[in-house]
Amino acid sequence: DAGVTQSPTHLIKTRGQQVTLRCSPKSGHDTVSWYQQALGQGPQFIFQYYEEEERQRGNFPDRFSGHQFPNYSSELNVNALLLGDSALYLCASSPDSYTGELFFGEGSRLTVL
Amino acid sequence: AQSVTQLDSQVPVFEEAPVELRCNYSSSVSVYLFWYVQYPNQGLQLLLKYLSGSTLVESINGFEAEFNKSQTSFHLRKPSVHISDTAEYFCAVSGASGTYKYIFGTGTRLKVLA
Repeated sequence: DAGVTQSPTHLIKTRGQQVTLRCSPKSGHDTVSWYQQALGQGPQFIFQYYEEEERQRGNFPDRFSGHQFPNYSSELNVNALLLGDSALYLCASSPDSYTGELFFGEGSRLTVL
Repeated sequence: AQSVTQLDSQVPVFEEAPVELRCNYSSSVSVYLFWYVQYPNQGLQLLLKYLSGSTLVESINGFEAEFNKSQTSFHLRKPSVHISDTAEYFCAVSGASGTYKYIFGTGTRLKVLA
């Protein structure tokens, strides 16, 4: 049973560019959340998708957007990259009927130069 | 609003010694509480959780945590640590209803020394 998979694992961008990160949830999970983990910090909630809709959003600017597909996979898009966007981006999935645990992928490490 | 405080950024401890990692939270609503562990270059893995019922929860690898509502704490303990327990530990809280986001603390780096 594959867990949460994310791609790419590492990427380097320059300021002003745009990036798309991808996530496939654990089998049987229909809810996907995205978190940003800056170096030395805990994960910060970006948003959550359920039934292809953004259900809740954290305190992130509109440069951060997402999408969920009918197969429950998800994308995180970040436009006009800033140096401060350098972080590990974590995708987490959960079955909507159970709020007790998030299953995390290994993350996509974004470096903005 | 909810928040989580992990007072210790780093905790060094000798192998086979006991350890306690502290977590305090703030919330105006009922909460679920979690401890996650992150090994280098990996995602987060759930260590244990409190949803309801018994305030003492245990993991399969010897960790335990106790929910203390009056102290708003959820400290993580292990009576005897191993080298393999070296990792970053994150405490997290979510609202028991009405919110879907998890609030994480800043993490505690546990370093087990031989």
